[in-house]
Amino acid sequence: QVQLVESGGGLVKPGGSLRLSCAASRFIFSDYYMNWIRQAPGKGLEWISQISSSGSSIYYADSVKGRFTVSRDNAKNTLFLQMNSLRAEDTAVYYCTREALTAEFSLDNWGPGSLVTVSS
Amino acid sequence: SYVLTQPPSVSVAPGKTARMTCGGNNIGSKSVHWYQQKPGQAPVLVIYSDSDRPSGIPERLSGSNSGNTATLTISRVEAGDEADYYCQVWDSSSDHVVFGGGTKLTVL
Repeated sequence: QVQLVESGGGLVKPGGSLRLSCAASRFIFSDYYMNWIRQAPGKGLEWISQISSSGSSIYYADSVKGRFTVSRDNAKNTLFLQMNSLRAEDTAVYYCTREALTAEFSLDNWGPGSLVTVSS
Repeated sequence: SYVLTQPPSVSVAPGKTARMTCGGNNIGSKSVHWYQQKPGQAPVLVIYSDSDRPSGIPERLSGSNSGNTATLTISRVEAGDEADYYCQVWDSSSDHVVFGGGTKLTVL
């Protein structure tokens, strides 16, 4: 079945940078929109970013706009999230998610998540 | 920006019916999706497009959406249904995915 595996999380100091990757397999990656979702410890889900199947259309949440950049490499079936100017409030588990083809904007597959901790 | 409001918690006895609401301005005009998240796990899509179930999701879970309220209903609740449930829509006015704050379902 569909597989999404995030990597690149870890501990980073405030103001620092981190790049998350999401390796996708067992589906035609280039056909699908992808989204990043995060969840702070003990909190709810927060949408971060959406990227279209070709990468030509990208949207960001206001909380990360100008600091985070989403991209994808369809040849390598990989989604990326470049996170700069990190703040303590960016501490969260970051999920890579696939948007369903036939159900408008629903997220039908999620990776296990990657923990990002921003702390001095 | 568009806001989705969910009650923080719902409690229900085993075998009874649990109803979890998701409120939003004219949410009936939007397509609502629901996710179940158990502790330490990633969320799972359980209802999409208001009332459709992905394969593998039991028929006990159903959804509806009208006016300003969408509802996730779980019939014949089991201990294994205990989880956090989130509603979600796409807000076309801001081009943002929007989640509700989540409801913790407790099975008594």
